[in-house]
Amino acid sequence: AQTVTQSQPEMSVQEAETVTLSCTYDTSESNYYLFWYKQPPSRQMILVIRQEAYKQQNATENRFSVNFQKAAKSFSLKISDSQLGDTAMYFCAFMTPNTGNQFYFGTGTSLTVIP
Amino acid sequence: EADIYQTPRYLVIGTGKKITLECSQTMGHDKMYWYQQDPGMELHLIHYSYGVNSTEKGDLSSESTVSRIRTEHFPLTLESARPSHTSQYLCASSIQGSDSPLHFGNGTRLTVT
Repeated sequence: AQTVTQSQPEMSVQEAETVTLSCTYDTSESNYYLFWYKQPPSRQMILVIRQEAYKQQNATENRFSVNFQKAAKSFSLKISDSQLGDTAMYFCAFMTPNTGNQFYFGTGTSLTVIP
Repeated sequence: EADIYQTPRYLVIGTGKKITLECSQTMGHDKMYWYQQDPGMELHLIHYSYGVNSTEKGDLSSESTVSRIRTEHFPLTLESARPSHTSQYLCASSIQGSDSPLHFGNGTRLTVT
């Protein structure tokens, strides 16, 4: 079964601090891609960062970086220098080309940045 | 932000009505998807399409249908709305390619009374 687990339904962080959102996944596929999506309140879900499973180097996008541990099937998101605009739901997802490019999502983590 | 549009943004409708949720994208993406999103739950795939005249059912496809007559348009129809259909519906698209991310619309929040 293809599953994604986000064990932190809600988190908060002080502005300018660093926060890490956890994500674990399960798949028997060897080729897959991992994503973090952000959904601000009442707004569009947008891509934050993505990682190819065959790459050992962790992806980074400005203040956002991931800690990808393939053996542990872990894909955590680190947000540095948190800003008020980072307040949103964050969804972890993976996609497997061998199963028709289907996406599998976690249940999300609601992050609140406190001024 | 992605050029993918959903209308209406909010819809309140009575039980038994037929409704169509609209989704259009201007990016020329071949792949389009409909997801159902409920609080505290993962997104559930309802339908998807790999191109014109191609439609496939996802996990929650019962009681709804889709069509893909044009690349840019992927409407979702509920023949007879029920209170259990109350949810947020997200449309998404992506280009061909194994690592292509999804681009999402703003969503339609449907309430069936």
